Formats: sequence, structure tokens, C-alpha cells
Amino acid sequence: QKEVEQDPGPLSVPEGAIVSLNCTYSNSAFQYFMWYRQYSRKGPELLMYTYSSGNKEDGRFTAQVDKSSKYISLFIRDSQPSDSATYLCAMTTDSWGKLQFGAGTQVVVTP
Amino acid sequence: EAEVAQSPRYKITEKSQAVAFWCDPISGHATLYWYRQILGQGPELLVQFQDESVVDDSQLPKDRFSAERLKGVDSTLKIQPAELGDSAMYLCASSPGTGAYGYTFGSGTRLTVV
Repeated sequence: QKEVEQDPGPLSVPEGAIVSLNCTYSNSAFQYFMWYRQYSRKGPELLMYTYSSGNKEDGRFTAQVDKSSKYISLFIRDSQPSDSATYLCAMTTDSWGKLQFGAGTQVVVTP
Repeated sequence: EAEVAQSPRYKITEKSQAVAFWCDPISGHATLYWYRQILGQGPELLVQFQDESVVDDSQLPKDRFSAERLKGVDSTLKIQPAELGDSAMYLCASSPGTGAYGYTFGSGTRLTVV
């Protein structure tokens, strides 16, 4: 079983809808949680970074971490066609920075 | 905006041949990472450098893969001999310190082994 599980999708939503993404994990030592966006043929770019449990909001993006359930979420409000990409969750146990990634969820926002 | 440079962008090689990838991190970034991303999967760490020293190469297949970061700046990842299963995107990333925050990824090298 993988340490980080993420539904690969694809997840198709109409423009303006809320996109809801999530990951589950098994290692309770994970402390730092991230969401990356990856466009086709590009490297991942950091969207959200959260330490420990709680919520974090940045513009249209909200990240939630529930360590008791080993569950993290990313919400994208007012989705745009430009949000069409693969979204990867990532997490790490320590400050050395080795990231464990989920498989990524492909999101398609249709006009 | 500062970027992590990688070359080549695409590489096709025959199995059993040698192949090399190059990465130039953001200036001043002490930590450099090589990740491998197989199609449909998330990236997996191959090797992590702190300056010129390897701090984690536990997932690097050392019988065929090698990595170096001479002078603690740019880095080269080599595969010899390449196998069909090595077909993947090879991503380089750098960060200013040892923390997970501030990772910047390059655009990657797409390797196809035929």
C-alpha cells in the first residue's frame, strides 16, 4: 500500500464550479503538507503549503489538513479553464524536504 | 522570475545506451533534488544534494544510475545502461535551505527508451 493515496480522476467540472480534491495518507509522522499544480509537459509548481493541521486560504484556493483522520483537501472556488491541470498532493516528515507525492488528480474545467 | 534549468527537454535513446541529464538550480539554492515521475504517477525522489554532498540516495538504482553535483552548483544525472523501464520524466528541483518550503521544480527531461 502506498503511503499517500490520491484518486487519479479525471475530474471534470463546469467553469465556475468548486473543485474538491483530497488525499489520504498512512504515515502519522507527516508534518508538512503541500499541493502542487502540474500542467502537461511541465514541472510541478507549488500552490499551497501547510504545516500540521488546520486551514489555509490563498485567493481561490483553500487547503485543509486533518491529521487525526490522515486526510488533506484542496478546494478551488470559481474554477476557470486555466485551472485544468494535474494536482499533486505532497507531504514530508521532516525539514530535510524529501517529499512523498500522491499520484495526482487530473482536473478538466470545461467552459 | 528565477527558474531551474534542465536539458535536454526530450531524449530518445535505445536500451543499453548511456544517457545524461543536466540541471542548473536557482542561484544560491543549496539543496538540489532529482525526482523521477513515471506517467500517471507522482514524482519519486532519486537523490538529494546539500551543496556538493549527497544526503539521500536511498532510492537511486546505483547499479545503473549515478549523480554528481561538482562544486555544489549544477548537477548531472546519468543512466548506464538505460532500460525500457527507465522511460519517465526526470525532474530537478532546488530549494534555498533544507526545508520543504521553497521547492522550485524545473520543466523536466522526458526520457523515452526504445
